[in-house]
Amino acid sequence: AQRVTQPEKLLSVFKGAPVELKCNYSYSGSPELFWYVQYSRQRLQLLLRHISRESIKGFTADLNKGETSFHLKKPFAQEEDSAMYYCALLTQGGSEKLVFGKGMKLTVNP
Amino acid sequence: DTAVSQTPKYLVTQMGNDKSIKCEQNLGHDTMYWYKQDSKKFLKIMFSYNNKELIINETVPNRFSPKSPDKAHLNLHINSLELGDSAVYFCASSQRGGGVWNEQFFGPGTRLTVL
Repeated sequence: AQRVTQPEKLLSVFKGAPVELKCNYSYSGSPELFWYVQYSRQRLQLLLRHISRESIKGFTADLNKGETSFHLKKPFAQEEDSAMYYCALLTQGGSEKLVFGKGMKLTVNP
Repeated sequence: DTAVSQTPKYLVTQMGNDKSIKCEQNLGHDTMYWYKQDSKKFLKIMFSYNNKELIINETVPNRFSPKSPDKAHLNLHINSLELGDSAVYFCASSQRGGGVWNEQFFGPGTRLTVL
C-alpha cells in the first residue's frame, strides 16, 4: 500500500532560521514525489517535484530511496514561507493519483 | 484567465439537504479530480475522471455522485448531507500520462458547512 507520512503537524521558526519539513513514503513502485504548498486563503499549488531537482523559492528536496524520504529544506526561512506544506506521492498504473501526507503548517515569525 | 474554477465558494446548508458543487477547467486537461480537506487539513482524493470516465472512486459513500458532462467539467452532487460532510472540497485537473511531469492544478475550494 502507498502511504505518505509527515510526522510533524506544526513548525514555528524565526525569520532567517533553517527549516526542514520531513516526509517519508511507502510505495512498492518507483516513487515520484512532489511538494505542494497552500498559502493562506489561496489554492493548493505545486512547489517542486523531485525529478526536476530544482530549487523553488529557495526550497530544495532530495529523494533518498534508502531512507524512503523526501524532506523539504530551506536554509533561511522568510515570513512569506508561512503556509501549509503537503508532501505527495504519485501512484502509477491505470489509476494514477496523488497520495498526500497530512500536511504541515509552517509559521515563520518576524 | 486559464484556471480551475469552482462554484460556489461557500455553501451553508441544513442536514438532509441535497447540494451540488460545480467545477470547470479551461486548461485543456483530460483528467479531473475531487478532493476533500477535513478540519485537520487532511487532503484526500475522492474521485477522478478521465475523458468523462470514472477511474478512481476512493470508497466514498453513495450519497456523493460525481458527474462529468464533458472533460472540462466535473460536478459533485451530494445527497442527504450529514454533519461529517462539512469540509473544503477541492477540484483539480491534470493531463494524464505525463507521469512525474504531471502537475495537478487546483481550484480555489468550496467550503461546505452542514448545520
